[in-house]
Amino acid sequence: GENVEQHPSTLSVQEGDSAVIKCTYSDSASNYFPWYKQELGKGPQLIIDIRSNVGEKKDQRIAVTLNKTAKHFSLHITETQPEDSAVYFCAASSGGYQKVTFGIGTKLQVIP
Amino acid sequence: GAVVSQHPSWVICKSGTSVKIECRSLDFQATTMFWYRQFPKQSLMLMATSNEGSKATYEQGVEKDKFLINHASLTLSTLTVTSAHPEDSSFYICSAFGGSQETQYFGPGTRLLVL
Repeated sequence: GENVEQHPSTLSVQEGDSAVIKCTYSDSASNYFPWYKQELGKGPQLIIDIRSNVGEKKDQRIAVTLNKTAKHFSLHITETQPEDSAVYFCAASSGGYQKVTFGIGTKLQVIP
Repeated sequence: GAVVSQHPSWVICKSGTSVKIECRSLDFQATTMFWYRQFPKQSLMLMATSNEGSKATYEQGVEKDKFLINHASLTLSTLTVTSAHPEDSSFYICSAFGGSQETQYFGPGTRLLVL
């Protein structure tokens, strides 16, 4: 089955700095890689996703890169703000309706 | 669009009772819904995959007689925790596949506390 590794487990950055979270996956059949933001006591919220036919995707301050050869993908948040503080999960799937395998999560703290 | 709701948001029950949690896709139809369990400071653990009109597929180690899943319509799936015990206390989250982006959208979660 799929195995997703995520690091770091915790990340503290100063407001305005960039944050990078990295993930690797094991199943070469995986072709869909969503990222979720989870605030305390709430369900995960999809913030960006990337499919295997592209190498990079950007949405305002958030970008995701994918290297299929190396089987790793990363989340980049620029100009971080305190409201970005949350737990971020990467995930991998072989199709949107197939089960998604989650990474362990990264607790991001943005220090004002 | 692509909103998923869960009810109740939290529930406290006595040991031995059964608890039903509802998951609804409010503005799209979902042929597939998923149920997850999350312990504090941990990742989401998939419990089962639910397809409308058919039996749910449970992950290894998840007791199907303990966690009853029903997906009777394209907008509703229910999880019933039968004969709940304190170790069943957890955060239960559902997701529904569909919507404009054809991906999984998550509900807000249900916190269960079994006394």
